Amino acid sequence: GENVEQHPSTLSVQEGDSAVIKCTYSDSASNYFPWYKQELGKRPQLIIDIRSNVGEKKDQRIAVTLNKTAKHFSLHITETQPEDSAVYFCAASKLRTDKLIFGTGTRLQVFP
Amino acid sequence: NAGVTQTPKFRILKIGQSMTLQCTQDMNHNYMYWYRQDPGMGLKLIYYSVGAGITDKGEVPNGYNVSRSTTEDFPLRLELAAPSQTSVYFCASSPGGTGELFFGEGSRLTVL
Repeated sequence: GENVEQHPSTLSVQEGDSAVIKCTYSDSASNYFPWYKQELGKRPQLIIDIRSNVGEKKDQRIAVTLNKTAKHFSLHITETQPEDSAVYFCAASKLRTDKLIFGTGTRLQVFP
Repeated sequence: NAGVTQTPKFRILKIGQSMTLQCTQDMNHNYMYWYRQDPGMGLKLIYYSVGAGITDKGEVPNGYNVSRSTTEDFPLRLELAAPSQTSVYFCASSPGGTGELFFGEGSRLTVL
């Protein structure tokens, strides 16, 4: 089955710097790659997603890139702010099964 | 809309006891999921369902059972609780076709 690896497990940045989180997946048939943000004690919430027919997607300070050949995708956060501090999860699934498999998460800390 | 509602929010079980975590959604979503999140860890898929009467195993199904008799409800049954099942359990729903997952608030279960 699908396996999703995520790095790094923790990431500390200064406010205003950029943060990059990387994920790799094992199943070449996967074609949907969302990113979820989970604040402390809260439920995960979708922040951005990308499908396999595009290589990059941006939404204000957040962008996701996908390299299907290498089977990896990344989350980029620019101009980080303290409220970006949270755990971020990548995930992958295939169209037919819709079984979403998550990575192990990255704890991002943004220091003022 | 209430979204995805889970009950109970907190529960302490003794080893060997059984219980059911309830999950209901009012968004008419076909797809529903149960994940568990161990402290400081990622989300592991336990079971999922693509519609009423259809369920399938995820990554960590052992020790759990599910049923899906209606579109709205997707209860998770724990039989013979073990300390290894101490975790936060999240129910989620999705309209399907690799769309956004909407999570409940979570149920924190401790097995002593």
